[in-house]
This record gives sequence, structure tokens and C-alpha cells, in this order.
Amino acid sequence: EVQLLESGGGLVQPGGSLRLSCAASGFSFSSYAMDWARQAPGKGLEWVSGLSGSGDSTYYADSVKGRFTISRDNSKNTLYLQMNSLRVEDTALYYCAKPKPGGYYGLDVWGQGTTVTVSS
Amino acid sequence: DIQLTQSPSFLSASVGDRVTITCRASQGISTSLAWYQQKPGKAPKLLIYATSTLQSAVPSRFSGSGSGTEFTLTISSLQPEDFATYYCQQLNTFPFTFGPGTKVDIK
Repeated sequence: EVQLLESGGGLVQPGGSLRLSCAASGFSFSSYAMDWARQAPGKGLEWVSGLSGSGDSTYYADSVKGRFTISRDNSKNTLYLQMNSLRVEDTALYYCAKPKPGGYYGLDVWGQGTTVTVSS
Repeated sequence: DIQLTQSPSFLSASVGDRVTITCRASQGISTSLAWYQQKPGKAPKLLIYATSTLQSAVPSRFSGSGSGTEFTLTISSLQPEDFATYYCQQLNTFPFTFGPGTKVDIK
């Protein structure tokens, strides 16, 4: 069974840092690009970042560019999101997601999410 | 960045109704559009990709169409389990973006 399991969320003060992890299982992790998306409380979905299977190519939403870094360890089947200079508006449920086979046609597998709260 | 708008933002409908949701892109995205369904407290679920291809196990009452800048999601006969929020997403150009969502509620 294909599964994604996020961890690493928590409460952090504005300006602080957190690193999210997403443990993948049930598929050939290194063969897939991976994405992070988030959802603020009561709000819609926001795509945050994407990373190629090799890790060579990274992409970011303007709202997080320069503050967040996406990476992966294919030997551990794990995706990461390093979040620095956190702001109150980064408070959200963060999901990792896997694209469908064959390219970026849609995100067909999602984790259950990990909650990040930025507050003083 | 490519912006997506959805209309309506909210709709109230009855079981058995035909429902159509529109997603418009700020620039052409070919057919690189996906639709998701999200229920409260759950992760999004992929319904349709590449504008009109039904994801595995998704009921055939869901369909998608469009190209360029205007796209539609249609539910031919609304069922009780379809009451949810629906999002479109463009996957043509990074950064990928989601629409603001359409909440489908029970009339």
C-alpha cells in the first residue's frame, strides 16, 4: 500500500524554524517528484513546494521562496521541508503528496498532514 | 504566476441535482488541470486529472472538460457522499496553484 506519513509539526514562535519530514512507503520513492501543500485553518489549499525525483530541481511558491527549502533522502525514502523565518501566516496543516505516475498530472496520494502553528 | 478562480464559491444543491463548477486560469494551461474533492478533516482526493481523465475508482457521475483557460467539473447526479469542497489545480507551470475552492452543501 502506498503511504505518506508526515511528522515534525508543532508550535514555534515567529522567526523560528521547523523541519517537516514525510516518510514514504509502498512505491519507488526515488522515481517520483514530490510536493508539499498546506491548508491554513478554515482556508483553501496552497501548493508550497515541489522537488524532482533526483532532488536536482526545486520549485517554490512565492510566499515561501527564500525561507523554505525542500529536500529528500532517497536512501531513507523521506521528503523534508526546512522552514525558516516562520511567520504567523505560515500556520497551517502541511501535507506531502505524490504525483501520478508518468508526470505531473495530479497528486494522487496524500499524507494525513502535520500541523504547524506559528504564534508568540 | 498562474491564478485560478472558481465559480461559484458556494452552492447549495439537492441529491440528484446536476452540478457544474467552473475553474478559470489567468493564462492558458493547455489541459494541465486536476480536480480534487476534500471532506472536513480529510486530505484532498484526486478526482480528475489532465482535465477530463477520471482517477481510478472515482464514480462515472464525475466528469471534466475544457482547455486553455476555462474548465468545468460536472457531477451528473449529486449523491449524499458528494457534499464536500472541490478544488481545481493547474500543473502546467511552476508554481502549481490551486483554485480557492467550491463548497457544495445540502439544500
